[in-house]
Amino acid sequence: GAGVSQSPSNKVTEKGKDVELRCDPISGHTALYWYRQSLGQGLEFLIYFQGNSAPDKSGLPSDRFSAERTGGSVSTLTIQRTQQEDSAVYLCASSGETRDTQYFGPGTRLTVL
Amino acid sequence: GNSVTQMEGPVTLSEEAFLTINCTYTATGYPSLFWYVQYPGEGLQLLLKATKADDKGSNKGFEATYRKETTSFHLEKGSVQVSDSAVYFCALTVNTNAGKSTFGDGTTLTVKP
Repeated sequence: GAGVSQSPSNKVTEKGKDVELRCDPISGHTALYWYRQSLGQGLEFLIYFQGNSAPDKSGLPSDRFSAERTGGSVSTLTIQRTQQEDSAVYLCASSGETRDTQYFGPGTRLTVL
Repeated sequence: GNSVTQMEGPVTLSEEAFLTINCTYTATGYPSLFWYVQYPGEGLQLLLKATKADDKGSNKGFEATYRKETTSFHLEKGSVQVSDSAVYFCALTVNTNAGKSTFGDGTTLTVKP
């Protein structure tokens, strides 16, 4: 596909369960970002991958959150022991060499009951 | 640190009215500035950008000028349409932050026929 894709589009889970969210960036893009968009708020940076460099995890809100990027392409964001405050839309973006323009996926809406 | 402050919404206009959404920023370094749009049920899309002072970004009738002296990047459109109803986000990226963006909280625009 031409754009960033994310799956699932919606995820409803029970408090305490683990969830995995997937992002497929635009082919050839070396940079990948995860953001969180809570209801009525702007985007909160979570984590950033650039090539083979160590990821910038400075935005992860707790150690329950982790992410990996395999083969420099697909990324998975994992939230362990989900809490109700984790409910949000999780957005993935990718960018090319210049890294100044990010292309966003449609997001995964996570609801923790 | 970096921050973006944009006009609080919601904003409601009649079709063909003039639109201004204010955005001001603080940044360490020399940021690139962006406006993103999020239509109902869709992901963020880049609307326009400007990478240096006095540049004007434009797209779909929207314009914004990078004003370093006032640290502003206000979004304008001369005549809005119902189809412009969406949430608009102002954002900045400083290359020293390796491309991760700082977003405003978003401004919801509703255009009535």
